[in-house]
Amino acid sequence: GENVEQHPSTLSVQEGDSAVIKCTYSDSASNYFPWYKQELGKRPQLIIDIRSNVGEKKDQRIAVTLNKTAKHFSLHITETQPEDSAVYFCAASIGGGGADGLTFGKGTHLIIQP
Amino acid sequence: DGGITQSPKYLFRKEGQNVTLSCEQNLNHDAMYWYRQDPGQGLRLIYYSQIVNDFQKGDIAEGYSVSREKKESFPLTVTSAQKNPTAFYLCASSISPSGMGEAFFGQGTRLTVV
Repeated sequence: GENVEQHPSTLSVQEGDSAVIKCTYSDSASNYFPWYKQELGKRPQLIIDIRSNVGEKKDQRIAVTLNKTAKHFSLHITETQPEDSAVYFCAASIGGGGADGLTFGKGTHLIIQP
Repeated sequence: DGGITQSPKYLFRKEGQNVTLSCEQNLNHDAMYWYRQDPGQGLRLIYYSQIVNDFQKGDIAEGYSVSREKKESFPLTVTSAQKNPTAFYLCASSISPSGMGEAFFGQGTRLTVV
């Protein structure tokens, strides 16, 4: 099955700086890559996703890049703010019939230092 | 915060007991999933269901059972065979069984063995 590795496990950045979280996946058939944000005590919520026919996607301060050849994708947060502090999870999914849901990375605890 | 509801929020189980966690969604989603979240482990898939009366084992199904008698409901039973059941359990649903759409999560159930 699919295996998703996520790094780093903890990331501390100064407010206003950029943060980058990286993930690799093992199954070249994966074609959907969402990112979820989980604040303390709350449910994970989708913040951005990318499909395999796209190399980059942006939404305000958040961007995701995908390199299918290398089988890795990254989350970029610019101009970080205190409310960005949370645990971020990457995930991968094989679309099409017989899909088995999302395979998640182990998460990155992002800490924004004032 | 409507859409997908888990109950109860906190659950305590004595060793040797079976307990059932409820998950209900009113989003008309075909696919539903159960994940287990442990510190530093990310989200691991227990069971998933793409359609009523059908479900499949995920990566860590041992000691768990599910049913999908209605589209709206996907209860998870933690049996006495699960040796380390203390964890945070998250139910999710997505509109498409293909796994290519956003997964919406419930607020979770924290299960503790006493």
